[in-house]
Amino acid sequence: DTGVSQNPRHKITKRGQNVTFRCDPISEHNRLYWYRQTLGQGPEFLTYFQNEAQLEKSRLLSDRFSAERPKGSFSTLEIQRTEQGDSAMYLCASSVRDRENTEAFFGQGTRLTVV
Amino acid sequence: AQSVTQLDSQVPVFEEAPVELRCNYSSSVSVYLFWYVQYPNQGLQLLLKYLSGSTLVKGINGFEAEFNKSQTSFHLRKPSVHISDTAEYFCAVQSSYKLIFGSGTRLLVRP
Repeated sequence: DTGVSQNPRHKITKRGQNVTFRCDPISEHNRLYWYRQTLGQGPEFLTYFQNEAQLEKSRLLSDRFSAERPKGSFSTLEIQRTEQGDSAMYLCASSVRDRENTEAFFGQGTRLTVV
Repeated sequence: AQSVTQLDSQVPVFEEAPVELRCNYSSSVSVYLFWYVQYPNQGLQLLLKYLSGSTLVKGINGFEAEFNKSQTSFHLRKPSVHISDTAEYFCAVQSSYKLIFGSGTRLLVRP
């Protein structure tokens, strides 16, 4: 499978615990994005990487959230001290910077439930 | 700031009937517009995109959309829907390198 891969698909955690999600983009895609989608809403942009550099972070990304993309390959999104409001689907997408406007390919997402 | 409005949260329609899902955007610059489909517990799949050129854009699964600059709209249409088209549909505008999504329209196709 050469699509965007996200793990785990589902995560249930207790409030206050830390969680980490992983995203493997399509090979050779140098742009990687994280979005968050809550029930009944469209995805909201969280952060963006070009290669290993994190170029933008949304105001939605509080200091409890951190994202990395070492070596410009896979990416991880960590949430510390989870809160019930963090319950959502976390989507990863990747694209190629061969022109400014190009298709972003999405993974199947990680659904987080904080109890 | 760019934004997208999808006025209809749910659109019920009978199988083989035509459907239109509405999308309006606000932008002061040239826009690049997209429609994505999301099946339950899945990621998003691109249906079609408008970057430039012809205002009528054809996509996958028989869907098409028309870019109307004067009305700032990008409505999605299909002449005859199938049960399998039941899903959530999102309109999006590209802002720099990221996508700004609408709140989605649930298409419910009934037999």
